[in-house]
Amino acid sequence: GENVEQHPSTLSVQEGDSAVIKCTYSDSASNYFPWYKQELGKRPQLIIDIRSNVGEKKDQRIAVTLNKTAKHFSLHITETQPEDSAVYFCAAWMDSSYKLIFGSGTRLLVRP
Amino acid sequence: DVKVTQSSRYLVKRTGEKVFLECVQDMDHENMFWYRQDPGLGLRLIYFSYDVKMKEKGDIPEGYSVSREKKERFSLILESASTNQTSMYLCASSGEGAGETQYFGPGTRLLVL
Repeated sequence: GENVEQHPSTLSVQEGDSAVIKCTYSDSASNYFPWYKQELGKRPQLIIDIRSNVGEKKDQRIAVTLNKTAKHFSLHITETQPEDSAVYFCAAWMDSSYKLIFGSGTRLLVRP
Repeated sequence: DVKVTQSSRYLVKRTGEKVFLECVQDMDHENMFWYRQDPGLGLRLIYFSYDVKMKEKGDIPEGYSVSREKKERFSLILESASTNQTSMYLCASSGEGAGETQYFGPGTRLLVL
């Protein structure tokens, strides 16, 4: 069935280090992959997204890579800062069912 | 700037009560969604709607219903609340078409006693 797996579930890094979160999806027809950041007590907010016609997208310290053959995509955060601490969700748009399927989330802690 | 609002931030209800959660968006979005968020399970889709008076079941519709009488408003109804419906409920909206960005409301934390 439709599924998005996300790893790791928790990630702790030292300020200034890089953080990588990985997701795999099941539907080979998926063509849109957003990433959301949810700070404690707040709503999820889109931080970056990628469509299937590109392999990589970057926005300042955040980048997303997509490997359609392997059906996985990753979020890369460089030079992490304490304000990057949050829960991050990946998602994949399933054209077959017209739904956005979310991963289970990664709790990122950036230690000062 | 997209604005999605939800009627309550916190709700406490008793088992068996009928519960209404309201969501309003001001961007003339066609699509609206209801998710529930539980630790370790991510966001799971309950119901969604692509147009006024239209609704589609998501992945976990049991025990819920929805209503969309106006384009800007999407209501989630718990016909008879149960303790396993204690959760965070998030509403979202997006523009017409596949793979459009979804904008979330602040969430309603529901406790069913």
